[in-house]
Amino acid sequence: DVKVTQSSRYLVKRTGEKVFLECVQDMDHENMFWYRQDPGLGLRLIYFSYDVKMKEKGDIPEGYSVSREKKERFSLILESASTNQTSMYLCASSLYTSTGGPYGYTFGSGTRLTVV
Amino acid sequence: EDQVTQSPEALRLQEGESSSLNCSYTVSGLRGLFWYRQDPGKGPEFLFTLYSAGEEKEKERLKATLTKKESFLHITAPKPEDSATYLCAVQAKASGGSYIPTFGRGTSLIVHP
Repeated sequence: DVKVTQSSRYLVKRTGEKVFLECVQDMDHENMFWYRQDPGLGLRLIYFSYDVKMKEKGDIPEGYSVSREKKERFSLILESASTNQTSMYLCASSLYTSTGGPYGYTFGSGTRLTVV
Repeated sequence: EDQVTQSPEALRLQEGESSSLNCSYTVSGLRGLFWYRQDPGKGPEFLFTLYSAGEEKEKERLKATLTKKESFLHITAPKPEDSATYLCAVQAKASGGSYIPTFGRGTSLIVHP
């Protein structure tokens, strides 16, 4: 089974801190994604990547950046954490669409981030 | 703009009481429709992909169907362990190279013993 592993289940950070959320997948998927999920708002796409060193903005990229130096790893960076970034963060991966499909996502277990 | 609407927002069933969840969509050129299950505090778990109208997929007590305007997730004789939020997502033909799916907000299902 494809596994998507997020480094932390729970994080508490202070306002203004730089925060790194790590995600690793083990099935050689080309696509990787970062979402945040908030009650009443559903899943919102922050950034995604189709390949190493490639990144694309999603619907809500402000205040975030990403890094993909290796195919299996996709990092989300909160440059200066703020209380409105308190949320559940979900990483996902999938096969590249042009090879067939489309294919469903495999999600990680999520990181619940609290910014105080 | 692609839109996905799930109904009802919440559903309470008694164990064994069959029902259906709805996902209606408006997209230009559907490439695939996905169903996911999400347990509290966890990431969504992939259930099905449906590619064209008339297609059906089954897994245990769950059966997903697809028409040109909507998809149904039928739950037959549900058990308490089927309690979860069920998410629907649609993926349309690319516009500017983007194949990102649009997610609905989910239906929260509670099955009482």
